[in-house]
Amino acid sequence: NAGVTQTPKFQVLKTGQSMTLQCAQDMNHNSMYWYRQDPGMGLRLIYYSASEGTTDKGEVPNGYNVSRLNKREFSLRLESAAPSQTSVYFCASSEAFLGNQPQHFGDGTRLSIL
Amino acid sequence: GQSLEQPSEVTAVEGAIVQINCTYQTSGFYGLSWYQQHDGGAPTFLSYNALDGLEETGRFSSFLSRSDSYGYLLLQELQMKDSASYFCAVRDRGYGQNFVFGPGTRLSVLP
Repeated sequence: NAGVTQTPKFQVLKTGQSMTLQCAQDMNHNSMYWYRQDPGMGLRLIYYSASEGTTDKGEVPNGYNVSRLNKREFSLRLESAAPSQTSVYFCASSEAFLGNQPQHFGDGTRLSIL
Repeated sequence: GQSLEQPSEVTAVEGAIVQINCTYQTSGFYGLSWYQQHDGGAPTFLSYNALDGLEETGRFSSFLSRSDSYGYLLLQELQMKDSASYFCAVRDRGYGQNFVFGPGTRLSVLP
């Protein structure tokens, strides 16, 4: 079982470049999330999609956009990368948005912006 | 706003019991989760408490007191593989009902 798959695993960008992080889940989950994790810190929510067709801002959405392409896929786009966006990005999914629903995480994308 | 506090580091020996505390402030509380994350790895779900009391899953137990805005994760019969970071996360009504994660507690298990 693949679970949640993120691509790429590593990426180095120059300031001002754009890129899209891909995320796909094969568990038929309704809800998907993008987090960032900075060294020694917890996860901070960037955007989420409670169900297919909806997306909403999380705690730190500035500088990012998302697309819920279909039920399986949820992508995160950096339009003009900045050094402050250097971080590890995790995609997660859950069967439903509310209730006792564990989030299943991908292995992360380690992004460095020079 | 929301805030969660956890000890930054805890050290214990193999076979021991360790408790990791989490205190929180939220705009509206729905539940408390715990996640484990090994270095370089993805967070993995351990437990969820919506009501007061103790939830037990094998060697791990999680406790919640909503009146005290407090919870803890209890790890018994510690093993070397339990060395990891542990995060509490609170589902907050004032945060779009999303989870807010604490800063994490790094547990080191010594032989």
